[in-house]
Amino acid sequence: EVQLLESGGGLVQPGGSLRLYCAGSGFTFNSYAMSWVRQTPGKGLEWVSVISGSGGTTYYADSVKGRFTISRDNSKNTVYLQMNSLRAEDTAVYYCAKNTEYTSGFYMDWGQGTLVTVSS
Amino acid sequence: DIQMTQSPSTLSASVGDRVTITCRANQSISSWLAWFQQKPGEAPKLLIYKASSLESGVPSRFSGSGSGTEFTLTISSLQPDDFATYYCQQYNSYPYTFGQGTKLEIK
Repeated sequence: EVQLLESGGGLVQPGGSLRLYCAGSGFTFNSYAMSWVRQTPGKGLEWVSVISGSGGTTYYADSVKGRFTISRDNSKNTVYLQMNSLRAEDTAVYYCAKNTEYTSGFYMDWGQGTLVTVSS
Repeated sequence: DIQMTQSPSTLSASVGDRVTITCRANQSISSWLAWFQQKPGEAPKLLIYKASSLESGVPSRFSGSGSGTEFTLTISSLQPDDFATYYCQQYNSYPYTFGQGTKLEIK
């Protein structure tokens, strides 16, 4: 059974940094791209970033480009989202999702989400 | 970026009704479209992928159709558990994009 467990969320001041973690199990971790998707309170879903199975290819939403960095450690079955220069509009539940392919594909499996609140 | 537009934003219906939600892309995405169901406090749940393929374990009252730029999600006979918010998502190219959601409410 695929399991994705996010952690690292919390309250941070505007301009601050936070690192999110997503630990995967139940599948061959390095064979699949991994993504982050966020949902602002009471609003819809927004795709944030993706990293390929090897970590060699990454993509970002324009809204986070230059501020967020996605990475992975396949020896630890973990994907990270380093979030810098945080803004109030980054406040959201951040979900980790497993792609169905090495670099692309759809999202069959999701974590439970971790809440990030950017506020002074 | 590919823009996805869902309609309606809110849909009121009764148990047993047949309902259809529409999702339009502003450029062709072939059949690279997924549908998700989300309930409050939960992660999205995959219902349909590749526009019309039913995810394992999803009831057969859910069906998807379409290709290119216009897609539909149909629930043939609403059940109490189906009242939730539904999202379409294109995975033709990055950045992946979602529709704004359709909230299905009890009439």
